Amino acid sequence: RKEVEQDPGPFNVPEGATVAFNCTYSNSASQSFFWYRQDCRKEPKLLMSVYSSGNEDGRFTAQLNRASQYISLLIRDSKLSDSATYLCVVRPYTGGFKTIFGAGTRLFVKA
Amino acid sequence: DGGITQSPKYLFRKEGQNVTLSCEQNLNHDAMYWYRQDPGQGLRLIYYSQIVNDFQKGDIAEGYSVSREKKESFPLTVTSAQKNPTAFYLCASSIGAGVIPDGYTFGSGTRLTVV
Repeated sequence: RKEVEQDPGPFNVPEGATVAFNCTYSNSASQSFFWYRQDCRKEPKLLMSVYSSGNEDGRFTAQLNRASQYISLLIRDSKLSDSATYLCVVRPYTGGFKTIFGAGTRLFVKA
Repeated sequence: DGGITQSPKYLFRKEGQNVTLSCEQNLNHDAMYWYRQDPGQGLRLIYYSQIVNDFQKGDIAEGYSVSREKKESFPLTVTSAQKNPTAFYLCASSIGAGVIPDGYTFGSGTRLTVV
């Protein structure tokens, strides 16, 4: 089993739709969680950290479910500019360098 | 503006050649990293450095070498021993290892192709 697993997609949604991605992780000792966005042939950029209580940033909501070992990203009112690959990132413990990147979920938002 | 600069953007290597990828940051970050990205796979850690004159192997260090003589610079050499070097190489930095939350800042990447 991979340490971090994501549905590769692609998810094809119309503008204005709500879309959600999940990411599962295998190490129950994982402490830090992030969502990164990567545009085609570009570098990943931090979208948001994921906190235990869940957090929201505009149209984006991230949640953590420790019992089931997954994190989620919800995008409301999708825009064409949201089209990208979304990477789930997990760190097994506080600090350190064992950061695991998921392979990403591709999203296409259509007009 | 602070950031990470990688060069070149595209690099072509002949079989048996060593090539060096440049990575420079002006963010005053202590930690720097090299990742490799292949299609359909997550980023894989090649080498990392916590401080000047110190670096550690990541998960796929074979066929690669690095140096960290200056805080700002962390060049990666892809040697002829790396049998499948064609990939997208990403350099990243972070304030340190123990800062939470500690996201990475990435450079724009170098796309290496063996010809």
